[in-house]
Amino acid sequence: GAVVSQHPSWVICKSGTSVKIECRSLDFQATTMFWYRQFPKQSLMLMATSNEGSKATYEQGVEKDKFLINHASLTLSTLTVTSAHPEDSSFYICSARDSLGSSGYNEQFFGPGTRLTVL
Amino acid sequence: DQQVKQNSPSLSVQEGRISILNCDYTNSMFDYFLWYKKYPAEGPTFLISISSIKDKNEDGRFTVFLNKSAKHLSLHIVPSQPGDSAVYFCAASKGSYQLTFGKGTKLSVIP
Repeated sequence: GAVVSQHPSWVICKSGTSVKIECRSLDFQATTMFWYRQFPKQSLMLMATSNEGSKATYEQGVEKDKFLINHASLTLSTLTVTSAHPEDSSFYICSARDSLGSSGYNEQFFGPGTRLTVL
Repeated sequence: DQQVKQNSPSLSVQEGRISILNCDYTNSMFDYFLWYKKYPAEGPTFLISISSIKDKNEDGRFTVFLNKSAKHLSLHIVPSQPGDSAVYFCAASKGSYQLTFGKGTKLSVIP
């Protein structure tokens, strides 16, 4: 299957700082990328849908000024957690949809995730 | 309101036996269902899916059954292997690529 990478894989930061997480589709183009958040023993919660060249669509309850999403190219989307606080500590996972994929839903591939710990 | 529910947080099965993972959903608008497998500290990987127009889809050792009237789907793995030990997420979608996930079921296959 296609490969999606995330960088960094883990990050520890101080409260009040901003953290940027990158999501890259390595061998395919992705007009749409999704950002999820997972708390321990919880499901993956969709935070936002990122479309290349346009503004991201945020799910209800997700602060768009807190979680800045940029999808500047067909292979890269970034999530910036601004002024991070301990409650933002979580596992953040992105997924990318293969724009040229023929099977629709099946053509969504997940990154390995980024563990964010805010002290 | 959790629209996709996996009520069993964990399941242990003997190697070679059948593993049955269950998933219930509440939104009747869901028309596509997927199962993902996830290892610790990794992202989910797609396993198998089923459209709402079908009631069964099979791929090797994995079979997904859909009961629309009961809003229930299940994943059968037979025979179960130790390498199948992971967390399995059920996901559903309604006419878009946005997925709604259950909380996952941790499967342990005992050698």
